[in-house]
Parts: sequence; C-alpha cells; structure tokens
Amino acid sequence: GESVGLHLPTLSVQEGDNSIINCAYSNSASDYFIWYKQESGKGPQFIIDIRSNMDKRQGQRVTVLLNKTVKHLSLQIAATQPGDSAVYFCAENIHSGGGADGLTFGKGTHLIIQP
Amino acid sequence: DSGVTQTPKHLITATGQRVTLRCSPRSGDLSVYWYQQSLDQGLQFLIQYYNGEERAKGNILERFSAQQFPDLHSELNLSSLELGDSALYFCASGSGANVLTFGAGSRLTVL
Repeated sequence: GESVGLHLPTLSVQEGDNSIINCAYSNSASDYFIWYKQESGKGPQFIIDIRSNMDKRQGQRVTVLLNKTVKHLSLQIAATQPGDSAVYFCAENIHSGGGADGLTFGKGTHLIIQP
Repeated sequence: DSGVTQTPKHLITATGQRVTLRCSPRSGDLSVYWYQQSLDQGLQFLIQYYNGEERAKGNILERFSAQQFPDLHSELNLSSLELGDSALYFCASGSGANVLTFGAGSRLTVL
C-alpha cells in the first residue's frame, strides 16, 4: 500500500475563500515533503516543499504545515482563484540529500473553484 | 514550458505491440525519472536514471525497460502492451535535489 495518501478526493471551495488540502503519511522516516499542482493536460508542477525539521513554510498565497506527531501534512491556499483549479498531490521522500528513489505520491485531491 | 520535453504527446496502439516514449531532461539536469499515472493508481514511480546509469527502480513491469543515453535523453520502452498499460507516462528531471520538474506527459492508449 501507499505510505502517502490524501483524505479527500475532491474539494470544492468558493472563489476568494481559503482552501485547505490534507495529506497523511505513514513513513516516519520521511524527511522531505513536496506539494505538486497538476492542471488538466499538464504535468505536475512544484508548489512548495518542507523539510521534517520545520513545521510551517510559507510561499506566495500558499502555506504548508507539517505535523510530525500525527504524520499529517496540509496545503493552505489563500484567496483561492479560478486558476487554482487543479489536482494537488503531496509527495514524500526519505532521502533528503538527493532524489535517489524518486518521490512517493499520494493519489491527489481535485480542487474545484466555485464562482 | 517546464524545460522537460516528452514525445509523443499522444499514442494509440494495439495490444501486444511495443512503443517507445522519449524524454529530454531540462538543461543541466542529470537525473531522469519515469512515472506512470492512471486513474486508479495515481502517480507511480517506475525508474530513475542518473547520468546514464540506472539509479532506482520502482513499480516497473518486466515488460517495460528504459535507458538514458550519453546526451542524457531517456527512452521508456513498453512491450507486449496490455489494455491496462493505458495511462499517462511522465518524465521528470532533477539536478540531485528532491524537486523534480515534470514534462507534459505522453498519453498512451492501448486498444
């Protein structure tokens, strides 16, 4: 089975509201986490990452929170816009020093923005 | 444009056939990764090459093989195709860090 998974397959939010996408992981050895965004017809695109020695990291309109106690990762998107409609994947890697094994992806959450 | 180029974008073939998917990594990246994306399995890591050498293997079937050439482009060969092989195949490249840059994918349809 997967060590990384997502709680909800689909999330629908109103334009302008904040979105929170959740992810659970089971491998306590994972020390690096990434969120990817995949728009229709495109490949996954890097959004933000966080290392296990941090519990929060902020980017432009996005924040990633890491709770190692409960092995939970979340992506918060502020003031959601139509362009945020996509499938969001969390991914983990246990080799923070390099991508020797690639990344393990969760199944993804489809974020739908309501006008 | 991510800088990772994949061809062909779409491919339709029949069961039992063999196809080759091609990937050119982003300039300067030595690693190439192949992923399979299907509706029920999400993104599955297949195989990684680093500077021409196989570095890691994931859930890659024996009917599938890959290689990375001296110019760093990579090819994924899929043989004895089955209906269940229909999927999006993504190539990603990296420079040694964990962040991967993905191509737009090759959509394979096996009829």
